Amino acid sequence: AQSVTQLGSHVSVSEGALVLLRCNYSSSVPPYLFWYVQYPNQGLQLLLKYTSAATLVKGINGFEAEFKKSETSFHLTKPSAHMSDAAEYFCAVSASYNQGGKLIFGQGTELSVKP
Amino acid sequence: GAGVSQSPSNKVTEKGKDVELRCDPISGHTALYWYRQRLGQGLEFLIYFQGNSAPDKSGLPSDRFSAERTGESVSTLTIQRTQQEDSAVYLCASSFTRTGARETQYFGPGTRLLVL
Repeated sequence: AQSVTQLGSHVSVSEGALVLLRCNYSSSVPPYLFWYVQYPNQGLQLLLKYTSAATLVKGINGFEAEFKKSETSFHLTKPSAHMSDAAEYFCAVSASYNQGGKLIFGQGTELSVKP
Repeated sequence: GAGVSQSPSNKVTEKGKDVELRCDPISGHTALYWYRQRLGQGLEFLIYFQGNSAPDKSGLPSDRFSAERTGESVSTLTIQRTQQEDSAVYLCASSFTRTGARETQYFGPGTRLLVL
């Protein structure tokens, strides 16, 4: 069975500072991993995904994540936070291949950016 | 092109009433998913459609919940005899392909359900 743990339900950074949102997964098969962002009163938008190609994945809005199998991690980073990055971020793992790709989500991390 | 749309955007109902939530996926997407997001929690999977069939209903919380999909397009999630614990945002997502596992799911804006 797959599961996802996001460390820290709330993260606060200053504008221009490094953003680091942590995600650890558990999977009995090689995983596909996703980061989604949810802005207030909006649906989820894909930031980036890992599908067993390059372990360093670049996404939209300057975000990137690195798949580390030995650490079962897929942490999301951005070198310099912007006010517009304030949102909720969800890490997800795709269920095993014969289950149609349903996503198992972490609890989410709310990112606040201080001026 | 048009994204995933859901209606209504908000629904307030009384305990014990039935509600229907609608999802219009992106045209050509064969896979369709329903998720639930309760306040302060992550998203919970409810049901997955491939075409008009539902090979995975494992996330439906009780027999009060049902869903159907017609014409490999519109899907309706029905909650009978609503309870206060059903209050949540119900999100629909769709994706290409019959395998699904690596495909991007595109999410609708959700239906916010409040049961009084």
